[in-house]
Amino acid sequence: DTAVSQTPKYLVTQMGNDKSIKCEQNLGHDTMYWYKQDSKKFLKIMFSYNNKELIINETVPNRFSPKSPDKAHLNLHINSLELGDSAVYFCASSRGTRGENSPLHFGNGTRLTVT
Amino acid sequence: GNSVTQMEGPVTLSEEAFLTINCTYTATGYPSLFWYVQYPGEGLQLLLKATKADDKGSNKGFEATYRKETTSFHLEKGSVQVSDSAVYFCALNTGNQFYFGTGTSLTVIP
Repeated sequence: DTAVSQTPKYLVTQMGNDKSIKCEQNLGHDTMYWYKQDSKKFLKIMFSYNNKELIINETVPNRFSPKSPDKAHLNLHINSLELGDSAVYFCASSRGTRGENSPLHFGNGTRLTVT
Repeated sequence: GNSVTQMEGPVTLSEEAFLTINCTYTATGYPSLFWYVQYPGEGLQLLLKATKADDKGSNKGFEATYRKETTSFHLEKGSVQVSDSAVYFCALNTGNQFYFGTGTSLTVIP
């Protein structure tokens, strides 16, 4: 059983298009996250939701909009895609917002390529 | 503010060599510390963790000790294998957010 699953694994699209990435976790965790990893492997937090409530909203273009229909799902919608959006996007989850004893569990990533 | 600094890579070692990847942190309060490993084409996986000063996390032959006096959490392994080739991330959590280092790429050659 995959704990954190995200789809699609690969996404190739043209500039200006709108695309979505879906994420689901079956760990019963309360908190879910979106991270962006660039070509140098640097990880940047984008958003975090706790029980469907947005708790972290880093400086991200408003073309990126997360949606959490329930605490097991966190989707990422991106409007008007740009070349600089090309990256690997990781979904993650953790138990609660206080993570001292609750590590992050990551999905396998979605590699987005904008041409 | 909170931050993690880890040694830059890439690191290339021969099989059975000793590995150290340095990690230091800056944090308010009492963070938990983690090492994550990312194999090619995969997401990050928790390798080990430590939640308070002097704790030692260990897993798969890797170890790291939470040193509050030096604000460090260096990763060590006595004898690396080719299968350890991956990117290693040091991270801290203060209860509100995770902070990751920039990652250190390790390649182990036979």
